[in-house]
Amino acid sequence: DQQVKQNSPSLSVQEGRISILNCDYTNSMFDYFLWYKKYPAEGPTFLISISSIKDKNEDGRFTVFLNKSAKHLSLHIVPSQPGDSAVYFCAASMEADTGFQKLVFGTGTRLLVSP
Amino acid sequence: NAGVTQTPKFQVLKTGQSMTLQCAQDMNHEYMSWYRQDPGMGLRLIHYSVGAGITDQGEVPNGYNVSRSTTEDFPLRLLSAAPSQTSVYFCASSYSIARIHEQFFGPGTRLTVL
Repeated sequence: DQQVKQNSPSLSVQEGRISILNCDYTNSMFDYFLWYKKYPAEGPTFLISISSIKDKNEDGRFTVFLNKSAKHLSLHIVPSQPGDSAVYFCAASMEADTGFQKLVFGTGTRLLVSP
Repeated sequence: NAGVTQTPKFQVLKTGQSMTLQCAQDMNHEYMSWYRQDPGMGLRLIHYSVGAGITDQGEVPNGYNVSRSTTEDFPLRLLSAAPSQTSVYFCASSYSIARIHEQFFGPGTRLTVL
């Protein structure tokens, strides 16, 4: 049962345009959402996050939007740059029964930004 | 700071062999974890630790053992490797379990089991 879904395995965008990466979730108990970026042969790196009590968080060229009623979040990159080409993972966290903060990852979307 | 380091980068095992994947961090982080990443699936938690001497199971713990004798090190042991354990393994750490969303990941170990 995939609780966090990234339905687009890949996305191609031209340099300077907007990239929009989407993520859907099923569990309404998630209280924090994150985006990680991963380059080949490297571990994921934290990019941006948003609390469930907010609907938008912005950090430079990156903005994350959360629509709780639709259980949907998206990452906008404006303007896109070739260096943004990577795999982007959406993740969501919630408190498990043990009190541990559990992190659930999506399957990733490969973004290719062409010059 | 070196951050989170993992060794080896690549490993090929035969079915039934055992090995240990090493993970170390020099940030004095309390929380450490192991994930595996498989094609078409997100990262899945294998085991985690909230401090030296304290470990617990994640989503997919079968076939793996962990221990945490020091704050810095969190090795992952494969007891008897199986082809289903072919994967990329990532170790991660964060300052505390309350800040799990600020995890730092190592570069990964690509394991193939024949």
